[in-house]
Amino acid sequence: GENVEQHPSTLSVQEGDSAVIKCTYSDSASNYFPWYKQELGKGPQLIIDIRSNVGEKKDQRIAVTLNKTAKHFSLHITETQPEDSAVYFCAASKGSARQLTFGSGTQLTVLP
Amino acid sequence: EAGVAQSPRYKIIEKRQSVAFWCNPISGHATLYWYQQILGQGPKLLIQFQNNGVVDDSQLPKDRFSAERLKGVDSTLKIQPAKLEDSAVYLCASSTGTGAETQYFGPGTRLLVL
Repeated sequence: GENVEQHPSTLSVQEGDSAVIKCTYSDSASNYFPWYKQELGKGPQLIIDIRSNVGEKKDQRIAVTLNKTAKHFSLHITETQPEDSAVYFCAASKGSARQLTFGSGTQLTVLP
Repeated sequence: EAGVAQSPRYKIIEKRQSVAFWCNPISGHATLYWYQQILGQGPKLLIQFQNNGVVDDSQLPKDRFSAERLKGVDSTLKIQPAKLEDSAVYLCASSTGTGAETQYFGPGTRLLVL
């Protein structure tokens, strides 16, 4: 089955700096890659996603890039703010069932 | 639009006891998922429903876990008997239907087995 690896497991940045989280996947048939943000005591919330026919997608301070050949995708957050502090998960899915395989998560801390 | 609702939010039980979790998906969403999230890990799929039918339960420990979605709306996940390793957050998610990519998650039920 699909395996998604995520790095780093923890990331601390100064407010205003950029943060980058990287994921690799194993199944070349995967074609949908969402990123979720999970705050303490809450469920995961979708922040951005990308499909395999697109190389890059941007939404304000958040961007995601996808390299299908290398089977990796990355989340980029610019101008980080304290409210960006949370655990971020990447995931991959394929087919009509759309079952998500999640990475292990990255604890992002934005220091004021 | 109301989100995915789950209850209870927290539950503490002793091992070998039974427990049940309830999920109400977003109105009109045909697909419902149950995930188990162990502390420090990403969510892991337990079971997927399409309306009231099971699409995939290959990762559900069927000797102790069961789930149903009788009328294709609400769902219940049960553990009987619970083990210490079942301590986790149980997340429910829903999507509009077959092939729909975006899953919307509820707040989860945090289970502690003592």
